[in-house]
Amino acid sequence: AQSVTQLDSHVSVSEGTPVLLRCNYSSSYSPSLFWYVQHPNKGLQLLLKYTSAATLVKGINGFEAEFKKSETSFHLTKPSAHMSDAAEYFCVVSDMWGKLTFGQGTILTVHP
Amino acid sequence: SQTIHQWPATLVQPVGSPLSLECTVEGTSNPNLYWYRQAAGRGLQLLFYSVGIGQISSEVPQNLSASRPQDRQFILSSKKLLLSDSGFYLCAWRGGTGAYNEQFFGPGTRLTVL
Repeated sequence: AQSVTQLDSHVSVSEGTPVLLRCNYSSSYSPSLFWYVQHPNKGLQLLLKYTSAATLVKGINGFEAEFKKSETSFHLTKPSAHMSDAAEYFCVVSDMWGKLTFGQGTILTVHP
Repeated sequence: SQTIHQWPATLVQPVGSPLSLECTVEGTSNPNLYWYRQAAGRGLQLLFYSVGIGQISSEVPQNLSASRPQDRQFILSSKKLLLSDSGFYLCAWRGGTGAYNEQFFGPGTRLTVL
């Protein structure tokens, strides 16, 4: 069985400051991990994915995530928040057949 | 390039009425197809997935059903809607069978049952 825990339901930052969205996972085997972003009333867009090629994964819009097996974590970061980053973010783990398990989501608010 | 369409974008239906939501994918063949529901303040719940025409797997027992009459068409239906069926419905597709293949999501349908 696999599971995902997003440690914060809401994160609030000021524009230009760093963003950290935390995610811990549980999986019986070497996982595939993803971060998706969802703007209000929109579908989900893939930010980045971990596929075991490199532990530090760079995604779109300046986001990156680091896979830490010892900590079973896959936290999402961005050096400087932009107003357009305000959205809901989902950490997702995939099993070997491609079945996804979603975290509960973290709502990111960016203040001017 | 591949695109995924869902319609309608929004829908308001009375309790007890039927439902049909449609999802189509372009630019790929033999995709895996998925239906998710996102209720207010909750994460995504997988409802159905399909690995081929006529092949449907249900993840949770509920008032809904799914069908895949064509390779790139996935339909979500109900004979009688319940209030609890309200939510944001997302269709997704995935190519290949590897664990590293991500899912691509459609724009979603906002369903309100009154």
